[in-house]
Amino acid sequence: KAGVTQTPRYLIKTRGQQVTLSCSPISGHRSVSWYQQTPGQGLQFLFEYFSETQRNKGNFPGRFSGRQFSNSRSEMNVSTLELGDSALYLCASSETGAGNQPQHFGDGTRLSIL
Amino acid sequence: GIQVEQSPPDLILQEGANSTLRCNFSDSVNNLQWFHQNPWGQLINLFYIPSGTKQNGRLSATTVATERYSLLYISSSQTTDSGVYFCAVELDSGGSNYKLTFGKGTLLTVNP
Repeated sequence: KAGVTQTPRYLIKTRGQQVTLSCSPISGHRSVSWYQQTPGQGLQFLFEYFSETQRNKGNFPGRFSGRQFSNSRSEMNVSTLELGDSALYLCASSETGAGNQPQHFGDGTRLSIL
Repeated sequence: GIQVEQSPPDLILQEGANSTLRCNFSDSVNNLQWFHQNPWGQLINLFYIPSGTKQNGRLSATTVATERYSLLYISSSQTTDSGVYFCAVELDSGGSNYKLTFGKGTLLTVNP
């Protein structure tokens, strides 16, 4: 069974631009979560989707948004990029997102803002 | 929100040594997982262990939910065990909130 697939693996953008990251969950998994990892703040929860509905959102500005499609694939978008958005963005999937299930992470997208 | 503290923050071992990593959390949880992040950034799920004890090869984990801590044991360490070990929990708020809160991790370096 293929794992969680994130694209692209690396991305370089400049301040003010916007970016879209993609995540394809493990086949049969319907819950997709996004996390941001930085050296200063560690791993922080962005949002979680299930059946195209956002069920929880972390403490990030409105520039960070996401969506989920009917095939469970998810995208996150960051608009008006700032230098502080440079980070490793990780996507995780599980069957339903319930607390009694392990989360499986993709390899991440490394976003660098110049 | 829930607090997750991991210790020690850094650990240096010689190959073949054993180690114990600790995770303390401030509230009741319904989900606790241990992850290993390798030097390439890949985050690998080691254990899903909200309570009890599990073993997988040289690794084992124990969670004592009533005392709000979990331990990860690494025996006969190998250089490939190097990386950062994270503990992550989901707060038990009466149902699932679909959010994992991570500790700051333990950076493990295993020297040959």
